[in-house]
Amino acid sequence: DAGVTQSPTHLIKTRGQQVTLRCSPKSGHDTVSWYQQALGQGPQFIFQYYEEEERQRGNFPDRFSGHQFPNYSSELNVNALLLGDSALYLCASTLGPGARAEAFFGQGTRLTVV
Amino acid sequence: EDQVTQSPEALRLQEGESSSLNCSYTVSGLRGLFWYRQDPGKGPEFLFTLYSAGEEKEKERLKATLTKKESFLHITAPKPEDSATYLCAVLRDGGSQGNLIFGKGTKLSVKP
Repeated sequence: DAGVTQSPTHLIKTRGQQVTLRCSPKSGHDTVSWYQQALGQGPQFIFQYYEEEERQRGNFPDRFSGHQFPNYSSELNVNALLLGDSALYLCASTLGPGARAEAFFGQGTRLTVV
Repeated sequence: EDQVTQSPEALRLQEGESSSLNCSYTVSGLRGLFWYRQDPGKGPEFLFTLYSAGEEKEKERLKATLTKKESFLHITAPKPEDSATYLCAVLRDGGSQGNLIFGKGTKLSVKP
C-alpha cells in the first residue's frame, strides 16, 4: 500500500522564479493538505483540497496556489519566489476533510531559493 | 489566539533514562491532539491520536496522555533510535482534518 508520495525531493530555484511541487495521496484518501516547514519550526498549514476545490487556506499570500486532479493528486505552485520561501514543503492526506483520523505525511520537498 | 507550545525545545537523555515531553495548547475547542515523530529531512510519522481528557495511548516505549490543557509524551527507557524531533498538533472544532496547528517540536537526543 503506497503511502503519500511527493516529487521532487529536492529543488533549487532562483529568486523570482516559479515552482510546482507534486503530491500523490495515500491509497484510499481523497483530501490533500499542504504545509510549509521552515528550519527548526513546526509545519504551517498552507491550504487544503477536496473534490478538486480549495476548502481551507492558512495565512499565506496569493503567490501560493494549488490544484487537485480527479485522481486526488495535487500540485502546489509558488510564484515570484522569495528567499524566505526556502523550506520543507509537506503534503498530507486524509479520508475526507471532516474526519478526525490521523493525517499521513509524505517525505517532503526541500525547496532552496537562491 | 489558538496556540500550541512544546517544551523543552531540546532534551538530551542517556540510554535508559526515562523522561516526559510536554505539549500545552490553547484552542477554542479541541477536536483531537496528535503526536508525530520527525527524523531530519523527512516527513512527520504518525504516533498517536488523543480525543478527550483522561485518554492514554501506548506504543512500545512511548505513552501519550491528555488533560484539558496539555498532553504528555512519556518515554520509558529510551534507546538511541528514539532520537528524533517529536511534534504535537491539534485539530480545532470547526477545522477540517487537514488543518492542524503544530508546535515547534522537541528535539530528543538519546546517547548510548
